[in-house]
Amino acid sequence: KQEVTQIPAALSVPEGENLVLNCSFTDSAIYNLQWFRQDPGKGLTSLLLIQSSQREQTSGRLNASLDKSSGRSTLYIAASQPGDSATYLCSYSSASKIIFGSGTRLSIRP
Amino acid sequence: DAGVIQSPRHEVTEMGQEVTLRCKLISGHNSLFWYRQTMMRGLELLIYFNNNVPIDDSGMPEDRFSAKMPNASFSTLKIQPSEPRDSAVYFCASSWGTGRGTEAFFGQGTRLTVV
Repeated sequence: KQEVTQIPAALSVPEGENLVLNCSFTDSAIYNLQWFRQDPGKGLTSLLLIQSSQREQTSGRLNASLDKSSGRSTLYIAASQPGDSATYLCSYSSASKIIFGSGTRLSIRP
Repeated sequence: DAGVIQSPRHEVTEMGQEVTLRCKLISGHNSLFWYRQTMMRGLELLIYFNNNVPIDDSGMPEDRFSAKMPNASFSTLKIQPSEPRDSAVYFCASSWGTGRGTEAFFGQGTRLTVV
């Protein structure tokens, strides 16, 4: 059973486009949801952390939203750049576990 | 701060050998997480420490795996004896606070290959 689902699994868009990455989860009692970026052969870099009491967080061109009732989070990237190319993972934590999705592999074409 | 530091970055070992992975937390952090990443299973939490105490080790695959925090800034993950199916990238991450509700910072990982 997939507890965190990320759609799409891969995405390729031209530079400059705005895009949305989706994350859905099945646990309604989450503490927080976190979006990470992973470059090939590297560790994970935290992008945004949304506590369960919050609806969204923003950092620069990134905006993440959280809807606990529907079990969904989105990561919005504005004015995409080739340097945004990476795998993006969402993760939630609850009382008993920390679960990661399998990621969306994003490629921004110059 | 140099961030979370893991060593070695790469490890190749023969089946049956003992493997020790090392992790240095960010100064001041008090929660430590060990993860394993494979293509088949993605990122899996192995064990979580808070204030040097193991809080949740339900993700540890079996008795061949053990993790310790000999002090507040350092942790080891040991596999004895190692098997080919243990091949993966192992990450540690640290955070401040009670752990689960806080922002985690990851190391660069150790790529383990067991032949």
